[in-house]
Amino acid sequence: EAAVTQSPRSKVAVTGGKVTLSCHQTNNHDYMYWYRQDTGHGLRLIHYSYVADSTEKGDIPDGYKASRPSQENFSLILELASLSQTAVYFCASSDPGGATGQLYFGEGSKLTVL
Amino acid sequence: GQQVKQSSPSLTVQEGGILILNCDYENDMFDYFAWYKKYPDNSPTLLISVRSNVDKREDGRFTVFLNKSGKHFSLHITASQPEDTAVYLCAAGLNQGGSAKLIFGEGTKLTVSS
Repeated sequence: EAAVTQSPRSKVAVTGGKVTLSCHQTNNHDYMYWYRQDTGHGLRLIHYSYVADSTEKGDIPDGYKASRPSQENFSLILELASLSQTAVYFCASSDPGGATGQLYFGEGSKLTVL
Repeated sequence: GQQVKQSSPSLTVQEGGILILNCDYENDMFDYFAWYKKYPDNSPTLLISVRSNVDKREDGRFTVFLNKSGKHFSLHITASQPEDTAVYLCAAGLNQGGSAKLIFGEGTKLTVSS
């Protein structure tokens, strides 16, 4: 069974503070992604990674950094959290050899910035 | 602009009925199309997907129809059941090398009433 776990599951942060969302996968997948979910916007891609030690910008990267220190771990970093970054964040992984192109999502991390 | 757009933010159908969810996309290079299902406070899971070399794929009660010339795809659900109540997210993208770098629609909230 594919497994993507995120931490923390919920966090309240102050404006201007630093937030790190972590993601760990045991799928042995090369590709990992960070999406954010907002009402009326579906899921939007922030950063993704094809291989350890390398990250790519997605569609809405401003205000976010990403880090992929190993195949299993992918972090999303908000250096200076802002109110507009209040959202639910989903991490996902996919298998480059897979036939379906399926994304396996984590449980989500609900971030509230006050 | 929104590259992938779902026309209906919400739909209600009677149990046992047939329903159609619609999705339009802008990039005619997209070659991979998917529908994800999301229950409240849960992560999205793949329901069904299709590549651009076919225009229809059926899996039980669920069928995806792809209209490449119209840049449109749809999800047909037959014999709807209360457990189909969820948010349905369409997604499209370039599935090169297994990297499912998907663009998601805003989601359609489906309610199946008994």
